[in-house]
Amino acid sequence: EDQVTQSPEALRLQEGESSSLNCSYTVSGLRGLFWYRQDPGKGPEFLFTLYSAGEEKEKERLKATLTKKESFLHITAPKPEDSATYLCAVQDMDTGRRALTFGSGTRLQVQP
Amino acid sequence: EPEVTQTPSHQVTQMGQEVILRCVPISNHLYFYWYRQILGQKVEFLVSFYNNEISEKSEIFDDQFSVERPDGSNFTLKIRSTKLEDSAMYFCASRGTAGETQYFGPGTRLLVL
Repeated sequence: EDQVTQSPEALRLQEGESSSLNCSYTVSGLRGLFWYRQDPGKGPEFLFTLYSAGEEKEKERLKATLTKKESFLHITAPKPEDSATYLCAVQDMDTGRRALTFGSGTRLQVQP
Repeated sequence: EPEVTQTPSHQVTQMGQEVILRCVPISNHLYFYWYRQILGQKVEFLVSFYNNEISEKSEIFDDQFSVERPDGSNFTLKIRSTKLEDSAMYFCASRGTAGETQYFGPGTRLLVL
């Protein structure tokens, strides 16, 4: 059974204080790992897709990296508008499924 | 930028009633999905749909649920006889043919009383 564990559950940062969010996963074979941002009462907003270990993607203050067991979302010099829940999801290759298995998310609060 | 849209944004219904949640996927996408998120819990997969057929479904997607693409633009989720535990946010997602990324809509908040 695919499993996704995100840590920490919640993170409070001061504006400009860089940090990283962790996503550990267990799949029989990884088709893809996805990062989404979710604001309260809204749908997941796509950030990044990573397909293979060693891959990195970057967008503004966010950078996602992938190893064979985990992914990190690095946030550099965050701003208050980066406050949201960040969701990690995996897609298993070996079963041929396209369903995403989500983690519980990391709730990020950036204080001015 | 193309986006997935969903209607209604909120739906309140009585237990035992039928509800239909509607989605308009991104126009050139061919793969469609429904997920749900019970308040405070993880996003959970319900069903995927391609070429007018269900391609996979979770154990949550029992006989009370059905999906349909009634025309070239809409994708619907029907819950035949709602239960209290069906109260959740329901998200539609769609995917194109290039890559695996699924794009989510804003959701429908369903409250079953």
